[in-house]
Amino acid sequence: DADVTQTPRNRITKTGKRIMLECSQTKGHDRMYWYRQDPGLGLRLIYYSFDVKDINKGEISDGYSVSRQAQAKFSLSLESAIPNQTALYFCATSDRTGGNQPQHFGDGTRLSIL
Amino acid sequence: QQQVKQSPQSLIVQKGGISIINCAYENTAFDYFPWYQQFPGKGPALLIAIRPDVSEKKEGRFTISFNKSAKQFSLHIMDSQPGDSATYFCAAHRAGGTSYGKLTFGQGTILTVHP
Repeated sequence: DADVTQTPRNRITKTGKRIMLECSQTKGHDRMYWYRQDPGLGLRLIYYSFDVKDINKGEISDGYSVSRQAQAKFSLSLESAIPNQTALYFCATSDRTGGNQPQHFGDGTRLSIL
Repeated sequence: QQQVKQSPQSLIVQKGGISIINCAYENTAFDYFPWYQQFPGKGPALLIAIRPDVSEKKEGRFTISFNKSAKQFSLHIMDSQPGDSATYFCAAHRAGGTSYGKLTFGQGTILTVHP
């Protein structure tokens, strides 16, 4: 089983709909991240959480919200989806010991907003 | 804003050739520089990383060269193989403050190795 699991893997929806992407991990890591990937723009950080009570905005948080339900679960919501939020979304985790711990990524959610 | 600039956007190499991907940064507070490899349908995975106190790190066919004065670092893939075909991202971590534990990624390079 994957250490970092994202659901759904693919989603097509319409403008204005509310969408939730879910991430769960079995690595026991405290830190969790949400990124979006767009061609030519790389990976951009949306939100990150260093523990259950610590949630922070990343560089592109507008239009998104998150919930850290437990150490192992971190959800990303689009309250009212718009077409320019069409992208590949990744959840990642890392250990708390030091700032240079590798980040472990899920296999992504491909989101299309029509 | 912290930025890491990566080039080229795409790269085609023949089997057995050398693949070179370059990254440049501006913020001298960056203290850790990893490279991630991503295969289609998968998430990125750590490939190799370097700290700025060394100029080179080698792991098998993969080498990072680091030039602190020029604020540049590069990934060299020797004897490139079709199985190396993937998207590669450089990244940088800034020590201290509110950036601790966060990575800034480059734009990505799509590498294709022809047989």
